[in-house]
Amino acid sequence: AQRVTQPEKLLSVFKGAPVELKCNYSYSGSPELFWYVQYSRQRLQLLLRHISRESIKGFTADLNKGETSFHLKKPFAQEEDSAMYYCAPLEYGNKLVFGAGTILRVKS
Amino acid sequence: GAVVSQHPSWVICKSGTSVKIECRSLDFQATTMFWYRQFPKQSLMLMATSNEGSKATYEQGVEKDKFLINHASLTLSTLTVTSAHPEDSSFYICSARHDRGQGYEQYFGPGTRLTVT
Repeated sequence: AQRVTQPEKLLSVFKGAPVELKCNYSYSGSPELFWYVQYSRQRLQLLLRHISRESIKGFTADLNKGETSFHLKKPFAQEEDSAMYYCAPLEYGNKLVFGAGTILRVKS
Repeated sequence: GAVVSQHPSWVICKSGTSVKIECRSLDFQATTMFWYRQFPKQSLMLMATSNEGSKATYEQGVEKDKFLINHASLTLSTLTVTSAHPEDSSFYICSARHDRGQGYEQYFGPGTRLTVT
């Protein structure tokens, strides 16, 4: 059964608008969660991880245990943010398993 | 640092033949590497975990006799698709875990496009 849900296949926003890419998980306890990004014709790369509580390229993500969510947010979208975004938990056995992904399109 | 390469970047082979894909960690040693498969506009599906010096661990539903994995050194894992068929055509991506005490780190290769005719 899928343990990570990214409900939106495509999210289209205008430049400068806020962005929220949703990720919900169904693990118990405190899973280690990551956001990965894949820009067009580039390899998958780490965007951020929840344990670091960092902001990368203006993106942040907070682990909400009550809602079992790890949504990715950015207050003002840029055109260069257009990419595929994956939420990925670290599963037992130390392996990353990816959600279905959300395509973010930032329109000018 | 932490670069993972794959070779070839694309390959076309005839149905029934075997093809080998290499995954290398260029500037670090990786006891653990992973092989994923990605269909067009879809997510990555984990196929197997490759462990240096031991047998690979395959995910449920992945045929280990079909997808042979060898991790003979700390910087190289290979995936051999045996007796390839058109349904094996896909984008294969490897990644390597970097253990340097800075939390979990997994770096990805650029992928290999396999087309079976």
